[in-house]
Amino acid sequence: QVQLVESGGGLVKPGGSLRLSCAASGFTFNNYYMTWIRQIPGKGLECLSYISSSGTYTIYADSVKGRFTISRDNAKKSLYLQMNSLRADDTAMYYCARVGNVYKVGWFDPWGQGTLVTVSS
Amino acid sequence: EIVLTQSPATLSLSPGERATLSCGASQSVSDNYVAWYQQKPGLAPRLLIYDASTRATGIPDRFSGSGSGTDFTLTISRLEPEDFAVYYCQQYGDSLWTFGHGTKVEIK
Repeated sequence: QVQLVESGGGLVKPGGSLRLSCAASGFTFNNYYMTWIRQIPGKGLECLSYISSSGTYTIYADSVKGRFTISRDNAKKSLYLQMNSLRADDTAMYYCARVGNVYKVGWFDPWGQGTLVTVSS
Repeated sequence: EIVLTQSPATLSLSPGERATLSCGASQSVSDNYVAWYQQKPGLAPRLLIYDASTRATGIPDRFSGSGSGTDFTLTISRLEPEDFAVYYCQQYGDSLWTFGHGTKVEIK
């Protein structure tokens, strides 16, 4: 079955860095765009970034542009999010998700279970 | 950036009733590229509807989506106990994909 498993979250000090990973299984990873989405506890959802199937095209939300970098390793069926210059307002649950289908991009299905990032001194 | 506004923020209904959730966009969404998700406490969101009206695999037919341009609707024809949750709309008609802030459907 299609599965996404995030890892790498944890407690980090303001200004620190963290790298999130998302391991994919059950589908042809290199056929799909992938995305990172976050949810501040008790709040709504924010699409942070997405990456094309080949990895050549990326988009970032203004809130993370210049601080976060999305990447993928199709041979390892893995998606990554390098987060630098972390701030308290980056504290959230971070989800990876598969984007659309092989013909069209845009919706998110499925989602991983999420990994919690806490930025605090 | 397309801003999505969901209304109402909270909907209080009883099982068996019909739920109508609205999602308004700050500008027309290209090709009606709108999706709807359901989220229950402690879980990741689940895709319900994409392309404004196409049900995702395994989603019961009591869930339906409609709308075009700037106004979109998710309808739950008869609420089941497991449908009480938070619902989000999302647009992907723009290069920057955005979500609404959610509608909580609670038991009256």
